[in-house]
Amino acid sequence: DIQMTQSPSSLSASVGDRVTISCRASQSVSSYLNWYQQKLGKAPNLLIYAASSLQSGVPSRFSGSGSGTDFTLTISSLQPEDFATYYCQQSYTSPYTFGQGTKLEIK
Amino acid sequence: QVQLQESGPGLVKPSETLSLTCTVSGGSLSSHYWSWIRQPPGKGLEWIGYIYYSGTTNYNPSLKSRITMSVDTSKNQFSLKLNSMTAADTAVYYCARLYGSGWQLEYWGQGTLVTVSS
Repeated sequence: DIQMTQSPSSLSASVGDRVTISCRASQSVSSYLNWYQQKLGKAPNLLIYAASSLQSGVPSRFSGSGSGTDFTLTISSLQPEDFATYYCQQSYTSPYTFGQGTKLEIK
Repeated sequence: QVQLQESGPGLVKPSETLSLTCTVSGGSLSSHYWSWIRQPPGKGLEWIGYIYYSGTTNYNPSLKSRITMSVDTSKNQFSLKLNSMTAADTAVYYCARLYGSGWQLEYWGQGTLVTVSS
């Protein structure tokens, strides 16, 4: 299985901050990397697909980059509703594994 | 707008079989891939597998011996059966549609909590 490792596991930030979350794959996943946001008690919500494509309806402050094994999710200016847990997921090779999650908390 | 809704028992006894159904509304089951994902309480996400509307499946090897997925296009539903349940299978189970250039999980159900306990 491809292992997905996110860093950091948790992060404290303030409204208006620029935040970066990293995701590293144990082998190349090309651009088959997706990012999800999950709020407490809710289903995950797709933010970014194919490493850098913004899902319809997702605010433009979210962006994704990378290819191969190293990927980044960036939130350009944190809003109160962005405090949540973020997961990366590779969809290159079955089983389609997820990172362990990054919990973004209010400072 | 495509919507998915999981249904099934909230409580399953150890060694029994879990049966969950996902009902799709606002779109057709046809020509799409449909997936199950689970999340133990307080933990991360685990991909269980997917089924194509034609019945082709792809299961997570860690669960493959215990899983059966099926589709019922007449009811616009797909289902998951997981046998030999143990406490380690206690989780929120989600259904989702797998789609697009990133093979992404585009639409999700709200999830259903399944607890394994006697």
